[in-house]
Amino acid sequence: EAQVTQNPRYLITVTGKKLTVTCSQNMNHEYMSWYRQDPGLGLRQIYYSMNVEVTDKGDVPEGYKVSRKEKRNFPLILESPSPNQTSLYFCASTGTGSGNTIYFGEGSWLTVV
Amino acid sequence: GENVEQHPSTLSVQEGDSAVIKCTYSDSASNYFPWYKQELGKRPQLIIDIRSNVGEKKDQRIAVTLNKTAKHFSLHITETQPEDSAVYFCAAYQAGTALIFGKGTTLSVSS
Repeated sequence: EAQVTQNPRYLITVTGKKLTVTCSQNMNHEYMSWYRQDPGLGLRQIYYSMNVEVTDKGDVPEGYKVSRKEKRNFPLILESPSPNQTSLYFCASTGTGSGNTIYFGEGSWLTVV
Repeated sequence: GENVEQHPSTLSVQEGDSAVIKCTYSDSASNYFPWYKQELGKRPQLIIDIRSNVGEKKDQRIAVTLNKTAKHFSLHITETQPEDSAVYFCAAYQAGTALIFGKGTTLSVSS
C-alpha cells in the first residue's frame, strides 16, 4: 500500500529543545516536501527535495532544517523550536513525472510551549 | 516561481446549490492542477485533477475546468451536500519544481 508515514503524530515540547519529525515514503518517489498549516494561511511550503542530497527552501524555511540522505526519508529538524512553530505539519511526496498523484502523510501536530 | 491565488476564502451555500472555487496561477509552464479536500484535522485528499492538455474533467458531482490562456482553473461542485463541507485547496505543479498550493476555501453547506 502506498504510504507516507510521519512521526510523531502529536508532540508537545518546550522552547529550545531540538526535535525531529520523520517522514518516510514507500513509493520510490523523487520529490518530497514539508508544509505547515496554520488557520487562514493554507499549506505553506517549508522545504522540498527533488532527489537525494538535493533540497531547496520553500516559502517559510526559517527555523527549520531538512536532509535527504536516502530517497525514502525526509526528516524535518527544528534545532531550537519556538512557540511560533506551533502548527500542523504535513509531509508529501510524488514522482517527478508529469501529473503524478501527490501523497500526504497524516500530519504531525506540534505544540511548542 | 509559481504563485497560486484562490478565491473565495470562504463560501456558504444551501444544500442542493452549486459551488464554484477559482484559482489563478502565474507560471505558464505548470501542467498539472489537482484539487484537494481537507476535513478538520485530517490530511488533504485528492478529489480531482486536470492536466494541461485537457480543458474540462468531470467526476460525478465534481468538475474542473482549465483555461490555459488566462491561467486559471475552477472547481465546480453541483448538488452540494452537507458532507461537502470542508476546506478545498488548489495547486499548480510542473515536474521538477516546487508544488505550490492556494490558501484554501472553506466551504460550508447548510441543510
